[in-house]
Amino acid sequence: AQKITQTQPGMFVQEKEAVTLDCTYDTSDPSYGLFWYKQPSSGEMIFLIYQGSYDQQNATEGRYSLNFQKARKSANLVISASQLGDSAMYFCAMREGRYNQGGKLIFGQGTELSVKP
Amino acid sequence: ETGVTQTPRHLVMGMTNKKSLKCEQHLGHNAMYWYKQSAKKPLELMFVYSLEERVENNSVPSRFSPECPNSSHLFLHLHTLQPEDSALYLCASSQEAGGGYEQFFGPGTRLTVL
Repeated sequence: AQKITQTQPGMFVQEKEAVTLDCTYDTSDPSYGLFWYKQPSSGEMIFLIYQGSYDQQNATEGRYSLNFQKARKSANLVISASQLGDSAMYFCAMREGRYNQGGKLIFGQGTELSVKP
Repeated sequence: ETGVTQTPRHLVMGMTNKKSLKCEQHLGHNAMYWYKQSAKKPLELMFVYSLEERVENNSVPSRFSPECPNSSHLFLHLHTLQPEDSALYLCASSQEAGGGYEQFFGPGTRLTVL
């Protein structure tokens, strides 16, 4: 069963507008973490934001925020005030279990975001 | 050098060649990872090393052989590869037990097997 689902293969957004990238996950472990990464055409994976399963508040990092809805098992990424440099692939990832001996990240298939001038 | 570096950035090899990919992390982390990213597929975890000990081998064919001589360096030795092994190979590191748990990635090695 797929553990991380990103249903939007591609998205377009106008510069300066906000955009939401969807991510749903599946786990029975009460302890898990959710991550979003950005991958520009250069290939490097850039960490954006993290949400722990026990965190009470939604994570925010600058223009990035994570809309965490635990009951729905969704962890959508919201990018406010899009910039041309935001055009990239975006991956949602999940890590299950205790953080003590190397973490296995499970990635979704990604969403390609294109920001239009 | 800062962050996670990988060499070479691009590699073309024949099916009978032997080559190695190198990864170095300058973040003081204690865990390192190899991922494979094929076109149109999610990233696949290949190997995990924590405190220089392999803790995960994700059903990877034996033609891929990892080596972690110390907490800062990770190698992936390649031999008798197949064309379907052509992909972007990404190295990552993280700080386990007390760290932020996010994995920091290198720029990747784009491998083409002829």
